[in-house]
Amino acid sequence: NAGVTQTPKFRILKIGQSMTLQCTQDMNHNYMYWYRQDPGMGLKLIYYSVGAGITDKGEVPNGYNVSRSTTEDFPLRLELAAPSQTSVYFCASSYTSGYQPQHFGDGTRLSIL
Amino acid sequence: GNSVTQMEGPVTLSEEAFLTINCTYTATGYPSLFWYVQYPGEGLQLLLKATKADDKGSNKGFEATYRKETTSFHLEKGSVQVSDSAVYFCALSEIKGNQGGKLIFGQGTELSVKP
Repeated sequence: NAGVTQTPKFRILKIGQSMTLQCTQDMNHNYMYWYRQDPGMGLKLIYYSVGAGITDKGEVPNGYNVSRSTTEDFPLRLELAAPSQTSVYFCASSYTSGYQPQHFGDGTRLSIL
Repeated sequence: GNSVTQMEGPVTLSEEAFLTINCTYTATGYPSLFWYVQYPGEGLQLLLKATKADDKGSNKGFEATYRKETTSFHLEKGSVQVSDSAVYFCALSEIKGNQGGKLIFGQGTELSVKP
């Protein structure tokens, strides 16, 4: 009963490095989302996907890229890490849009130094 | 654009006290409304939801009613426990065709319950 699994849980990067945050879900959900959570700011949507091969920008997409080659996986790529990207990142999925709740992973805490 | 505003925290209560966390929203159309809870070190979990005006969502003793006339979705619990200590997020779901139910979150309200 895994749900949404994110790896790694913690990571420290140097400015300018790149990395990929992994997200996989085993619930056969069509919709997947990436959020970032900054202290006292709630969650902001970075990118989302409504199905394999389809992605779109959210509220704060700059500095990130995504791909969705399978229903299960939705990795988030940081190409040139910047201190402003220090945050906690959450992946979520839902079966359909709107009325259905989203299921969240436990998050990846990322620090850029 | 759509937005959600929650009362600021932290909120500190004694065990068995009554809890209210205020949430108001701005939205076009008829969004679904949600309360999520985040325990320390974990992701968000759905606490309750309401999909249309006057609906009442409830779970684990928590309740919230979708009030379209006041654009509010306040969270209440009659008697809180220490185990309810967490951060609570109010959210609305934008529904635009088939573009996915994007969630708009409030800033979160931290609740601390003392024995």
